[in-house]
Amino acid sequence: NAGVIQTPRHKVTGKGQEATLWCEPISGHSAVFWYRQTIVQGLEFLTYFRNQAPIDDSGMPKERFSAQMPNQSHSTLKIQSTQPQDSAVYLCASSPWDWGGAAETLYFGSGTRLTVL
Amino acid sequence: AQRVTQVQPTGSSQWGEEVTLDCSYETSEYFYRIFWYRQLFSGEMVFLIYQPSFDTQNQRSGRYSVVFQKSFKSISLVISASQPEDSGTYFCALSELYNVLYFGSGTKLTVEP
Repeated sequence: NAGVIQTPRHKVTGKGQEATLWCEPISGHSAVFWYRQTIVQGLEFLTYFRNQAPIDDSGMPKERFSAQMPNQSHSTLKIQSTQPQDSAVYLCASSPWDWGGAAETLYFGSGTRLTVL
Repeated sequence: AQRVTQVQPTGSSQWGEEVTLDCSYETSEYFYRIFWYRQLFSGEMVFLIYQPSFDTQNQRSGRYSVVFQKSFKSISLVISASQPEDSGTYFCALSELYNVLYFGSGTKLTVEP
């Protein structure tokens, strides 16, 4: 079991460029989450998919940020016209889904460190 | 509004000591869960233990346990026999609906050999 895989580990972009971050969830996990971590804001929830459908994007900045999950094996987070304040570690997590309410822990990847110059 | 608060930005202990990390939270839901994660230096978040709101019994998992004070909306993580390998940042997280976790600001723990 390879765990959640995030690529690239590090990405440096110039201001105004586009950045695409990739996440491969654990096989069989039906829920995928994106978080952003900064020193100032800590860990912020961005968005979440279940069975590839977007469920909650309440944490996503309304402009420039978008996320997709075109198939069960990967999700992408795209940031258009990147700004220095977008610099952060972006964490992806996956979990199985159980309507019974058992402890569905999130399994996190190691994150992508985005630096916008 | 901050849903989860960890007032200790840092903590320390000596090898073999018991460590307690505190967390408080805000929720109006009847059913919720509190999770504890540790962030490794690589950035990876590792699940440690969780407490469901409906269970009055404090959960235990290996050297980790929690002290759940539901009426005060507080929960503490207790690490017994701490080791230098336990050093890292510990996050408390609240899950109300679905599986979305709302994290506290973390407590950076250093265990001295």
